[in-house]
Amino acid sequence: EVQLVESGGGLVQPGGSLRLSCTASGFTFKNHWMHWVRQAPGKGLVWVSSINGDGSSTSYADFVKGRFTISTDNAKNTVYLQMNSLRVEDTAVYYCARGGYYRFDAFDIWGQGTMVTVSS
Amino acid sequence: QSVLTQPPSASGTPGQRVTISCSGSSSNIGSNTVNWYHQLPGTAPELLIYSNNQRPSGVPDRFSGSKSGTSASLAISGLQSEDEADYYCATWDDSLKGWVFGGGTKVTVL
Repeated sequence: EVQLVESGGGLVQPGGSLRLSCTASGFTFKNHWMHWVRQAPGKGLVWVSSINGDGSSTSYADFVKGRFTISTDNAKNTVYLQMNSLRVEDTAVYYCARGGYYRFDAFDIWGQGTMVTVSS
Repeated sequence: QSVLTQPPSASGTPGQRVTISCSGSSSNIGSNTVNWYHQLPGTAPELLIYSNNQRPSGVPDRFSGSKSGTSASLAISGLQSEDEADYYCATWDDSLKGWVFGGGTKVTVL
């Protein structure tokens, strides 16, 4: 079964750090772009970051550039999102999603999400 | 304020046809294909339509997508109670060099 499982969310103070993980199973991880999308409480979906299968190409939404870093460990079939200098407005459910072989392919598999709460 | 504009809500009675619009610009919808996702209450989003009008395996043919110029639309025919969900359009934006989503449309079955 193709599956994505996120972990690492939690409560953190403003200015703090958190690392999210997304572990994939049921498919060849290195053949896919992987993405992070977030959803603030009661709000819509917002793209955060993407990485290609071998980790050589990344992209970020402007509001996280310089603060968040996406990376992959193909040996562990896992994509990470290192989040530093967290702000209250980063509070959201963070979803991991699978893309295709090409950058512009749709997100066809989503994880269940992990909640990040930034509050003092 | 989302880059792609969707109506916040849409509704219909069982069996009716509902259409959701998604308006963008030349740098996003005008240049790239559109995908649609739906999100049932309390669950993760799921892919509904990709590449403007293609349905993934398992998606009923009641759902259809189209694109013209800088706008796209999703149609749900034969509306059913289980179609109550939030629907989002999304595409790549060449200027922003990133993915953009619409603000979402909540579909209610009356």
